[in-house]
Amino acid sequence: DILLTQSPSSLSVSVGDSVTITCQASHDIFHYVTWYQQKSGEAPRLLIYDASSLETGVPSRFSGRGSGTDFIFTIASLQPEDVATYYCQQYDNFPTTFGPGTTVDLK
Amino acid sequence: QITLKESGPTLVKPTQTLTLTCTFSGFSLSTSGVGVGWIRQPPGKALEWLALIYWDDDKRYSPSLRSRLTITKDTAKNQVVLKMTNMDPVDTGRYYCAHETGWYGHWGQGTLVTVSS
Repeated sequence: DILLTQSPSSLSVSVGDSVTITCQASHDIFHYVTWYQQKSGEAPRLLIYDASSLETGVPSRFSGRGSGTDFIFTIASLQPEDVATYYCQQYDNFPTTFGPGTTVDLK
Repeated sequence: QITLKESGPTLVKPTQTLTLTCTFSGFSLSTSGVGVGWIRQPPGKALEWLALIYWDDDKRYSPSLRSRLTITKDTAKNQVVLKMTNMDPVDTGRYYCAHETGWYGHWGQGTLVTVSS
């Protein structure tokens, strides 16, 4: 199985701050990475697919980049509604695997 | 508009078999490239992928759970069923079904399953 690690595991930020989350894969997964947002008590929501493509309807403050084994997810200017846990996922190889998550909350 | 909804028991006893149904609308599981997957999440923990069935009836399973899982589809009813045998308290969690086209773009609300005697 391909192992995904995320860092940091949690962070506290202020409204308007930039947030950066990294996802590292144990093997080359090309660009086959998605990023999900999960708010408390809700199902995950797709934000980014193919490492950098923004899902329809997702605000442009969310972005992703990377290829191979290293991927970065960024929130350009955090809004209160962005408080959530963020997961990366690889779909290059079965079984698809998810990262452990990064929890973002407000200072 | 794509929607999915999970249904099944909220409480199962250890060693029992769990049967979950995903009922969906807004797409067909006879369309090339489409799949429906199951993902679970223990309380306070990360997402764990379980199984996936494709439009052509190709099935994929988590290697660690393969011996306990069976996924089937009923295209006419727009349903996908997941069976998990020999349930254990560690299987407690929220179980989601989701629409797959490489990634999981649409998810159900999930159903909470508790395993306890």
